[in-house]
Amino acid sequence: EVQLWESGGGSFQPGESLRLSCTPSGFTFSTFAMSWVRQSPGQGLEWVASISGSGDKTDTADSLKGRFTISRDNSKRILSLQMNSLRVDDTAVYYCTTGGTPSRRFFDFWGQGTRVSVSS
Amino acid sequence: QSALTQPASVSGSPGQSITISCTGTSNDIGAYTFVSWYQHHPGQVPKLIIYDVSNRPSWASGRFSGSRSGNTASLTISGLQPEDEADYYCASFTGRNTLVFGPGTKLTVL
Repeated sequence: EVQLWESGGGSFQPGESLRLSCTPSGFTFSTFAMSWVRQSPGQGLEWVASISGSGDKTDTADSLKGRFTISRDNSKRILSLQMNSLRVDDTAVYYCTTGGTPSRRFFDFWGQGTRVSVSS
Repeated sequence: QSALTQPASVSGSPGQSITISCTGTSNDIGAYTFVSWYQHHPGQVPKLIIYDVSNRPSWASGRFSGSRSGNTASLTISGLQPEDEADYYCASFTGRNTLVFGPGTKLTVL
């Protein structure tokens, strides 16, 4: 059974940085592209970033480039999202998912999400 | 601001069929067969129900079907059931190695 567990969320102030992590189980991690998707309060889903199975290719939403960085450590089986210069509108539930660019352009398995709140 | 457009809401009675549209451009939906649909019950995790325009994952009900014509993709739910009441999102590959979601459609089962 595929399972994804996110961690690292919490309450932060504007300008701070944080790193979200996702720990997978139930599949061969290194062979799957992975992504982050977020949902702000009262808003819809928003694709954040994707990374290839090997980690050599990443794609990030234009509006988040330069602040958010997706990465993975296949030896430790961890997916990460480094979030810098946090803004109030980064407040959202962040989901770790399988799939995304560059291979399967859809998100088939989702974690429960980790909540990030940014306020002064 | 989404590059895809969906109706804000649709409704139907149990047993009826409804269709949700997702309109993009010739740079996304019109150019690629990478359209997916997600069902999201508030408070729960979004669930993939259609991928690559019309393919259904093993866990999705056969009452869900997808199609595409030009720059518009569609999700049809047949034999509406009360548990189908949820938010539905389309998503598309854009060709600049990015993915975009539609704003979502709230389905009400009357």
